[in-house]
Amino acid sequence: KAGVTQTPRYLIKTRGQQVTLSCSPISGHRSVSWYQQTPGQGLQFLFEYFSETQRNKGNFPGRFSGRQFSNSRSEMNVSTLELGDSALYLCASSLGGTITGELFFGEGSRLTVL
Amino acid sequence: AQSVTQLDSQVPVFEEAPVELRCNYSSSVSVYLFWYVQYPNQGLQLLLKYLSGSTLVKGINGFEAEFNKSQTSFHLRKPSVHISDTAEYFCAGAIQGAQKLVFGQGTRLTINP
Repeated sequence: KAGVTQTPRYLIKTRGQQVTLSCSPISGHRSVSWYQQTPGQGLQFLFEYFSETQRNKGNFPGRFSGRQFSNSRSEMNVSTLELGDSALYLCASSLGGTITGELFFGEGSRLTVL
Repeated sequence: AQSVTQLDSQVPVFEEAPVELRCNYSSSVSVYLFWYVQYPNQGLQLLLKYLSGSTLVKGINGFEAEFNKSQTSFHLRKPSVHISDTAEYFCAGAIQGAQKLVFGQGTRLTINP
């Protein structure tokens, strides 16, 4: 079956702009998590959605937001972009029962902020 | 707070040599532990996980890890590596009841011919 699909794969924005990233989970998976990956900070948890509800949130400013639709697809939005937001944003899906289940990651959206 | 520490940022080894990637965790509650691998320009893929039971966990691609509660460690091992094992490896932990993973900083494994 198809894996986790993230779009776009690459994008370039300038400071102050906003960006929306999309994630389509594996069919049947109800949980979608977002992570930010940077060389300096590594992988950091942004938030997790399950059945359209945010279940967990990481320590990121309010400029970072997300949502999940009834078909489990998820979007994350970053407003007022800063240079430090340049990163690989990874989406992961799971069946959603508990964290003991395997997370399936997409290939990521690489954001460059100029 | 839950944290995961990978002790080596880079590990170079020769092909067919054994390798150990070290991971320590800190937690005062029950913990679930994972190893993920990231190949260049790809997302992360689960290698293995420890939830409970046997402390020796076998994963894909010949990797295994041993959970050691007294040393709060979860080191990853492979008896003989191949060029195709070149990747970045991440140790991760989760607290029971929390729907998120805390990742270590990653260890870049480089295989030399």
